[in-house]
Amino acid sequence: GEDVEQSLFLSVREGDSSVINCTYTDSSSTYLYWYKQEPGAGLQLLTYIFSNMDMKQDQRLTVLLNKKDKHLSLRIADTQTGDSAIYFCAPRAGSYIPTFGRGTSLIVHP
Amino acid sequence: DVKVTQSSRYLVKRTGEKVFLECVQDMDHENMFWYRQDPGLGLRLIYFSYDVKMKEKGDIPEGYSVSREKKERFSLILESASTSQTSMYLCASSLEILAGNEQYFGPGTRLTVT
Repeated sequence: GEDVEQSLFLSVREGDSSVINCTYTDSSSTYLYWYKQEPGAGLQLLTYIFSNMDMKQDQRLTVLLNKKDKHLSLRIADTQTGDSAIYFCAPRAGSYIPTFGRGTSLIVHP
Repeated sequence: DVKVTQSSRYLVKRTGEKVFLECVQDMDHENMFWYRQDPGLGLRLIYFSYDVKMKEKGDIPEGYSVSREKKERFSLILESASTSQTSMYLCASSLEILAGNEQYFGPGTRLTVT
C-alpha cells in the first residue's frame, strides 16, 4: 500500500508563510488532497491537485507537486491564528481511497 | 451542504461491552467509511462500504464489524470493546469513488473504554 510521510509539528509566527511538506510512495497517485482538521472537529477538504498539474493556487493557498520526487507541499501565505489546525496530506492511487498521512499540527503564535 | 452526523461526540464504555457507533449522511452518497484517529498515527481505515449491504475491510478491521442496511446509515460495531479501542472514530461519506470525489467527515466520536 501507499506510504505517506509528514512531519508532525510546524510552528510559525503570525503573518509569516507556512509550508507543510508531504512525501508519498505510489507514483500512480492521481488526486492529491489536503484536508484540515480544526480542534474538536472532523476533517474538511482544503484543496486538491491533479497529478497532471505542477501547481495550484487558491487565494492564500499554494499547492506544489513534484511527481518525480513524489513530493507534495502546501504553502499558506500570511498565516493567521485561525489557521492553527492539523493538516493531512492524502494522495489517492489505484485503490480509489485516499491514504492519509499522520497529519501536521500547525501552531501559529503571535 | 453535505452533512455527516455521528450519534455521540463522547462515549465511555466498559471492557467487554458491545458498542455501536452510528453515522448518518444526508446527501445520498454511495460510499461511506469508518476511520480511527490516534495521535501520531493519523487516520487509519477500518471498513468502508460502496453500496447498501456491501462492505470491504480497510487496513485495521480486526475487532470491528459494520452494518449498512440503508444507504444513509453506516454503523460500526465493537463486538467486545477493549482498552486498545479507545480512540477517536471518524465517519466519512463520498460520491462515486472513481470520480475522485472528496470525502465529507462527521465531527467524530471520542470513545473511551475502561
